[in-house]
This record gives sequence, structure tokens and C-alpha cells, in this order.
Amino acid sequence: KQEVTQIPAALSVPEGENLVLNCSFTDSAIYNLQWFRQDPGKGLTSLLLIQSSQREQTSGRLNASLDKSSGRSTLYIAASQPGDSATYLCALEHSGAGSYQLTFGKGTKLSVIP
Amino acid sequence: NAGVTQTPKFQVLKTGQSMTLQCAQDMNHEYMSWYRQDPGMGLRLIHYSVGAGITDQGEVPNGYNVSRSTTEDFPLRLLSAAPSQTSVYFCATAISSTDTQYFGPGTRLTVL
Repeated sequence: KQEVTQIPAALSVPEGENLVLNCSFTDSAIYNLQWFRQDPGKGLTSLLLIQSSQREQTSGRLNASLDKSSGRSTLYIAASQPGDSATYLCALEHSGAGSYQLTFGKGTKLSVIP
Repeated sequence: NAGVTQTPKFQVLKTGQSMTLQCAQDMNHEYMSWYRQDPGMGLRLIHYSVGAGITDQGEVPNGYNVSRSTTEDFPLRLLSAAPSQTSVYFCATAISSTDTQYFGPGTRLTVL
């Protein structure tokens, strides 16, 4: 069974700092990996999607990498801002029970202190 | 273009009552799915659909029914609510199951 782990569960950094969020998974047979952002009381917003054949994706100050052989993905946030404060979740698309399934980590709650 | 809409936003039920959570999308996405989010458990897939007339079970389907008669709508039915179904429910859509997922704002359900 695919398991997704995100460490740390919570992270607090001062504004302007660069930071890395981690996601690890147990089964490398994945189709893609997505990083989401969730604000309190809100739904999830997709930030980046990395296909299994890709190594990284970039969008603005965000860069996500994927290393299937080691079962790891990282989300790099440059020059953090208070508006980046949210919970960040990674999710893997993989085959399960005859079709594709998305398995989520439990998230890292990020606080950026002004 | 409203994206993904969910109704109601909040609901309180008594044990044994039934209700339907609505999910609608105007993006012509074939893939739609329902998740529940519980503290300490993360998001778990309940049911999903790869197109009108096709549905299948996810990780935690017990106590829930779905149908997909149109591309736009994917309602989730609770036949006999139980306190264990207290959760936040999210609907998600995508062009296909392996594309970017778009989530609705969620329905917060409390079963007393």
C-alpha cells in the first residue's frame, strides 16, 4: 500500500527565508505527484504537478522536484512571504484497485512570520 | 466560469438521517471524485467517476453512494448518517485522473 509522509508537520520561518518542504513515499510506481496548498477552512489549490517522467517543475517562487528512485519530492519556496502561510500537501497518483488513485500526505503547516 | 461548487457549506444531521452533498462543475471535466478530510488522517478517497454513467469505489466507500448521470454533477449520498461520518467533504474534478485536480470549497458535516 502506498504511504505518503510529510515531515515536519509544522514549520515556522521568518519572512524572506528560503525553505524546503519534504514528501516521501513508499512505492515508486507513480504516475505523477502534485503539491497543493490549503488555507484554513478552504479547499485545496493545486500548485505544481510533476509527471513521473519529469524531475522538476517551477512556478514563480516555487520549485518542486521528484526523485522516484529515492521516493522523495521537495517543494522549495524562495523568499517566503506571510501570504505563503498555509498547509502544504503532496499527493501521489498511482494505480490501485484497478484504477488510478490519489494518495495524500497529512501536510506541513507553514507559518511565515513578518 | 464558477469552477467547482459544493452545497451546502455546512450541515448538521442526527444519526440515521439521510442527505445528499452536491457537487457541480462547469469545466467539462470527465473525472470527478469525493474525499473526506479528518484531523490526523489526511484526505481519503470515497468514490470517483471517470465519466457519466461510470463510478467506482475509493479507499473508504462504506456508508456512501454516488451516481453520475451528467458530466456536470456528482452527488454524494449518505443513506443513514453516523457520527463517524462527521468530517469535511471535498469534491474534486480533472480532465482525467492523471491531470491537475481542482477542488471545491468543501462541505463541513456534523452528525450528532
